Amino acid sequence: GAGVSQSPRYKVTKRGQDVALRCDPISGHVSLYWYRQALGQGPEFLTYFNYEAQQDKSGLPNDRFSAERPEGSISTLTIQRTEQRDSAMYRCASSPKDRSTQYFGPGTRLTVL
Amino acid sequence: LAKTTQPISMDSYEGQEVNITCSHNNIATNDYITWYQQFPSQGPRFIIQGYKTKVTNEVASLFIPADRKSSTLSLPRVSLSDTAVYYCLVGDRNNNQGGKLIFGQGTELSVKP
Repeated sequence: GAGVSQSPRYKVTKRGQDVALRCDPISGHVSLYWYRQALGQGPEFLTYFNYEAQQDKSGLPNDRFSAERPEGSISTLTIQRTEQRDSAMYRCASSPKDRSTQYFGPGTRLTVL
Repeated sequence: LAKTTQPISMDSYEGQEVNITCSHNNIATNDYITWYQQFPSQGPRFIIQGYKTKVTNEVASLFIPADRKSSTLSLPRVSLSDTAVYYCLVGDRNNNQGGKLIFGQGTELSVKP
């Protein structure tokens, strides 16, 4: 069946621009997670949702980062006024219920010039 | 949160058995041990989870001694396609600590012909 999908796969933007990264979880999955992964490092937790409710946003680096999942399915991670240090792979994962095995998407490679 | 320590890299040859050991001295009574595999350009993928003694599936075996302060992921007869980064995670069942996965740096396994 279809896995987690993310779009765009690659995004190049100029410093100061806003970007929106999309995640389409596996159909029916309750929980959705966002991670950021720097080269050579493991994924770093950003935030997660159960249905449309944001359960934990402790990993968001600052208030330029926000996420939403308004209908409990697709989620958008928005970064405002991007900075070069925001460049990374942004990964989305979903799980069938809270606290179960997570299935990761292919990621969005963000490059801020 | 229990911290994990694993080798940064390992080399092997096709057909050999590979054992990757992870230390987790501060593991809690309720914690499980889970391993994820990440191929280049892909998101992490769950491969095995255990609590004590030995667990085996079609991909790998996981050996956990009685004191549970370490665990060993065993990959039998590796092939070139097993080249990946392997992450050891410790946490409550299904390795969600409040919904998030805590990844370390992982072990980069390189399988040579």
